[in-house]
Amino acid sequence: ETGVTQTPRHLVMGMTNKKSLKCEQHLGHNAMYWYKQSAKKPLELMFVYSLEERVENNSVPSRFSPECPNSSHLFLHLHTLQPEDSALYLCASSQRVSETQYFGPGTRLLVL
Amino acid sequence: KQEVTQIPAALSVPEGENLVLNCSFTDSAIYNLQWFRQDPGKGLTSLLLIQSSQREQTSGRLNASLDKSSGRSTLYIAASQPGDSATYLCAVILSGGSNYKLTFGKGTLLTVNP
Repeated sequence: ETGVTQTPRHLVMGMTNKKSLKCEQHLGHNAMYWYKQSAKKPLELMFVYSLEERVENNSVPSRFSPECPNSSHLFLHLHTLQPEDSALYLCASSQRVSETQYFGPGTRLLVL
Repeated sequence: KQEVTQIPAALSVPEGENLVLNCSFTDSAIYNLQWFRQDPGKGLTSLLLIQSSQREQTSGRLNASLDKSSGRSTLYIAASQPGDSATYLCAVILSGGSNYKLTFGKGTLLTVNP
């Protein structure tokens, strides 16, 4: 897990809270990704950054706001979430887009 | 829209058995196909990546094949072990502009019994 790290690993928040998920990659990669994994559904791509530029915003609600300050760090800012947003949020990175993606351990989010 | 289907959804086998996991995709214009492993509550580990021009890739006891024209891939696991128990996910990237977007199947939950 030292390649891509995510914090926190678990998060419980109320619908009025604001929180942020953090992802850091130590692989020297240039692309980073956020995915959502809900029970009994395939992984869904949320956001893609390449060289710190967002290249994909996959119809994600505005209550999820990504930030990529540099090629090693990626954040997902959360506000006024809904219970259906409870899921495992996975971060990944790759040397370039379309190459093998390396995943972090995920943040298990519960929205009450 | 690319759709990825994995069959079976769950599989239970005794230790030592050879097994095959199946993946099918609806759009054959893929850039590459990847197989991942996911342990409960954990992230994904990339197992094998097959480029669209390749027919198969091997790593240890794992062998993945790709038949683009029929939209199918298989993951063969030889001499299965209890440590192989996990969910196996297949994902494809389409050729063309969005060649970063992995489309995943729902996975096959594998249990290898000692």
